[in-house]
Amino acid sequence: NAGVTQTPKFRILKIGQSMTLQCAQDMNHNYMYWYRQDPGMGLKLIYYSVGAGITDKGEVPNGYNVSRSTTEDFPLRLELAAPSQTSVYFCASSDGTSGHNEQFFGPGTRLTVL
Amino acid sequence: GIQVEQSPPDLILQEGANSTLRCNFSDSVNNLQWFHQNPWGQLINLFYIPSGTKQNGRLSATTVATERYSLLYISSSQTTDSGVYFCAVVPSGTYKYIFGTGTRLKVLA
Repeated sequence: NAGVTQTPKFRILKIGQSMTLQCAQDMNHNYMYWYRQDPGMGLKLIYYSVGAGITDKGEVPNGYNVSRSTTEDFPLRLELAAPSQTSVYFCASSDGTSGHNEQFFGPGTRLTVL
Repeated sequence: GIQVEQSPPDLILQEGANSTLRCNFSDSVNNLQWFHQNPWGQLINLFYIPSGTKQNGRLSATTVATERYSLLYISSSQTTDSGVYFCAVVPSGTYKYIFGTGTRLKVLA
């Protein structure tokens, strides 16, 4: 199993550009999450999903959109990129059944907005 | 919302020393995890421990959910233990993990 995969690993955007960060998991997990981590800080939840077709906001959703059309994929869309969105983005997944909710993380995407 | 505080914020150890990291949370939780973020930024699962005690080699963890804290013990520390240790909790009635502030550990050879 590949676990949780994220693409791209690195990206530089200009202010106002848009992009989609890809996240996929092959563990048949129900729950998926997107976090951002600013330099020297902890992780903040952007959006999460408890199943295909179901998404909800986390702590810092402004400037982002998500969709969950399949169990495996959970892309994160940035519209009109701003310098404040410079961060490392982590995707995670967890089973969620029977209350078991251990998260597994992808390697992250380092995004710079100039 | 729930507050998740970790202590100490920074810790410097000599190789071979033992340490205890603490995670306090302000409300009831359903789930709790400990992670190690290595110097390359990778997040490594250490323990999934909503309650009770677990051990894995030199590391062990205890969560006392009724008293709203968890402890991570590192024994005989090694330089490869350096990095940031995070706890993360799921407040009762939600599905969202909230991360703590982290403990930055440096182990000197």
